[in-house]
Formats: sequence, C-alpha cells, structure tokens
Amino acid sequence: AQSVSQHNHHVILSEAASLELGCNYSYGGTVNLFWYVQYPGQHLQLLLKYFSGDPLVKGIKGFEAEFIKSKFSFNLRKPSVQWSDTAEYFCAVNAAGNTGKLIFGQGTTLQVKP
Amino acid sequence: GAGVSQSPSNKVTEKGKDVELRCDPISGHTALYWYRQSLGQGLEFLIYFQGNSAPDKSGLPSDRFSAERTGGSVSTLTIQRTQQEDSAVYLCASSRTTSGAYEQYFGPGTRLTVT
Repeated sequence: AQSVSQHNHHVILSEAASLELGCNYSYGGTVNLFWYVQYPGQHLQLLLKYFSGDPLVKGIKGFEAEFIKSKFSFNLRKPSVQWSDTAEYFCAVNAAGNTGKLIFGQGTTLQVKP
Repeated sequence: GAGVSQSPSNKVTEKGKDVELRCDPISGHTALYWYRQSLGQGLEFLIYFQGNSAPDKSGLPSDRFSAERTGGSVSTLTIQRTQQEDSAVYLCASSRTTSGAYEQYFGPGTRLTVT
C-alpha cells in the first residue's frame, strides 16, 4: 500500500529563514506528487505538483520542490519565509494512471514568527 | 459555482443518530472525492466518484458509511448510527476527471462532532 511520511510535525521559524519540509513516499511505480497548504481558516489549496519532466518544480508564493526518485522524496523548500506562510502543509501522492485518489502525509504545521 | 461548497459547515449530533453531509462540486467536474481529516489520522481518502458511479470505496471505514452522487453533480455522504470516533472534518474535492494529472479543488469541509 502507498504511504507518505512527513518528517517534521511542527516547525517554528523566524521571518527570512529558509524552509525545507521533508516528504517521503512508498510506492514502486510512477507517481504524481503534490504539496497542498491550508492557511488558518481556509480551504486546502494546491501549492505545486510534479507529474513528469524537470524534477525541480516551482509553485505559488515562491515555493519549490524537488523530486528525487532514488530517494522516494519530494521535499518542499522556500529560501525566505514570511509570516503569511504560517499554515499547515501536506504532501500527497497519487499513483499515476490510477484514480486520482490522493494519499496524504500527516501534515506539518509551520509557524513563522514576525 | 465558483468553488466546491459543502453543507452544513458544522454538525453536532448525538451518538447513534444518522447524519448526511452534502457536497456541491465545481460545475463540469466529473470526478468527486471524499476525504476525512481527524486528529491522529491526518487526511484519509474515503471514496471517489466518476460521474455517478463509485469505483473505489476502499476508504470507507465501515458499512455505516455510504455515499451517492446524482446527476453527476451533488454528492451526499451518509453516516448511520454515528459513533464518537466519527468526529472529524469531512472534506470534499472535485476535479475535471479522475486522472491524477488534474488538480483537486477542496471545499471548506463539514466539521462533525458526535457527542
């Protein structure tokens, strides 16, 4: 069965610090990979996605993620966080050619101190 | 509509009662998904629809849970004889098709509390 593991459950950073959130998945086949974000009081929304091609993908608000197939990883990065990045971040995996069903990690709560 | 809508936004019910949760997907989206977000369990897939059929119900936790979709649009998730462990936020998402290549758009969720 597919599973997704997010290593950091709660991260606290000061503004302008760099961010890296880890995500590893277990699935032997081709995958589609996603990072979703949930800002306080808002819906889950897509930050970025990887389907194929360049393993370094860029998303909204200056976020990027790198797919490393050999490590089954899809880590999220941002060079300089802002207070407005305070949110919960979810990594998700979909088995390509499957039903679109997403398997989510447990989520990481990011708190950015002004 | 502009986005996925869900109703009610909050539901408090007594243990043993039945509840119905509604999801209105984005117009034209043929795929519809239900997920559950609970403390300690994170976000779990429950069921998905392609049109009105549900090819994958593997995530439904028990036979007390059922869902239907009519007219390729509105979906209802029904929980019979609710238990305290059913307390969670139930999220609905829709996408153009079930291909994983299409983004899923999430609704605001229904927070269910079973007392």
